[in-house]
Amino acid sequence: GQNIDQPTEMTATEGAIVQINCTYQTSGFNGLFWYQQHAGEAPTFLSYNVLDGLEEKGRFSSFLSRSKGYSYLLLKELQMKDSASYLCAVMDSNYQLIWGAGTKLIIKP
Amino acid sequence: DAEITQSPRHKITETGRQVTLACHQTWNHNNMFWYRQDLGHGLRLIHYSYGVQDTNKGEVSDGYSVSRSNTEDLPLTLESAASSQTSVYFCASSEGTSDTGELFFGEGSRLTVL
Repeated sequence: GQNIDQPTEMTATEGAIVQINCTYQTSGFNGLFWYQQHAGEAPTFLSYNVLDGLEEKGRFSSFLSRSKGYSYLLLKELQMKDSASYLCAVMDSNYQLIWGAGTKLIIKP
Repeated sequence: DAEITQSPRHKITETGRQVTLACHQTWNHNNMFWYRQDLGHGLRLIHYSYGVQDTNKGEVSDGYSVSRSNTEDLPLTLESAASSQTSVYFCASSEGTSDTGELFFGEGSRLTVL
């Protein structure tokens, strides 16, 4: 079966760096997505990786290793507004998105 | 600005009633999706459409139906609501399979079935 694993919850301190991991087993691979979802709101797109390596976008970076079935989202200079759930999703060979359950990130002052 | 809107945002209904959740997008996207989101689960695909008159079942389609009569709208109907269908429902759209596949989500509809 298809599976996406990510930690349920993480806690970090304002101003620090946090890495949220995602491992996947899917039927084929057509890209990996990270979305941010604040409580009670809709998910919003953060990043897309289809090739191995690091994609940097401001304070957020996303890394992909296709051979290891692994990705991480790196958040730098954490701010209180980064408190949210972070969803990892993989697009399989049928171009269907398979979603992880999300990682709830709690930022403490 | 283009957007995707859902209505109603909150709905309480009784078991056995028919419920329709509306989704309207002004992105002019071909692809539209309905997901449900429950604690401890990732987003689960209910139905999706790649264009007018096209509809497809997702992984949790039992008890739900959709229709696509125009580009902008994909209403989701629960034929006979069950307590197991209490959830938050998200509609989403995307441009096509040739792009990154970025999804644009509506604000969600919280449905409670008593």
